[in-house]
Amino acid sequence: QKEVEQDPGPLSVPEGAIVSLNCTYSNSAFQYFMWYRQYSRKGPELLMYTYSSGNKEDGRFTAQVDKSSKYISLFIRDSQPSDSATYLCAMSAFLSGGTSYGKLTFGQGTILTVHP
Amino acid sequence: DSGVTQTPKHLITATGQRVTLRCSPRSGDLSVYWYQQSLDQGLQFLIQYYNGEERAKGNILERFSAQQFPDLHSELNLSSLELGDSALYFCASSQPNPMIFGPGTRLTVL
Repeated sequence: QKEVEQDPGPLSVPEGAIVSLNCTYSNSAFQYFMWYRQYSRKGPELLMYTYSSGNKEDGRFTAQVDKSSKYISLFIRDSQPSDSATYLCAMSAFLSGGTSYGKLTFGQGTILTVHP
Repeated sequence: DSGVTQTPKHLITATGQRVTLRCSPRSGDLSVYWYQQSLDQGLQFLIQYYNGEERAKGNILERFSAQQFPDLHSELNLSSLELGDSALYFCASSQPNPMIFGPGTRLTVL
């Protein structure tokens, strides 16, 4: 079983729809959770960064973390064709001063297409 | 521009050859990570350096090696290249900031 599971999709939605992207994980040591967006094999771009359980909102994007269920979500409101990309969840065990673990474990990525 | 730079952008070489990929981290970041992304695989962690020292190792082949220099730039050396090494290689940097990625080097082994 992979440490991080993410449905690869593909997911196709009409413009303006609310998109829900999800990941589950098995390692209870994960505390930092990120979402990255990757366009056509370009470098992944950091979208959201959260620590521990709860919600974080940034514009049209909302990240949710439920550590008790080991489940994280990214919601995209009013989706646009420019949101079409691969979305990667990622997580790391801990960061502590100068001796952090740091490396991220990634999900497989969900391919999203928003059509006009 | 994420602040992480990678050179070269593209590399085409033959089996058995050796190549060096270069990465400069975002200003202020102490950690450098190398990831490999193949068509049929997700982002696979290779290795992490923190302030010049190896900190974590992933599924890095023995034919691959890396180092981080005093100015914090890093190099990933790939030797005895095989067709299966064709992939995108990403460098990322973090600490104290969240991890961000460079644009990647696309390696093609013919």
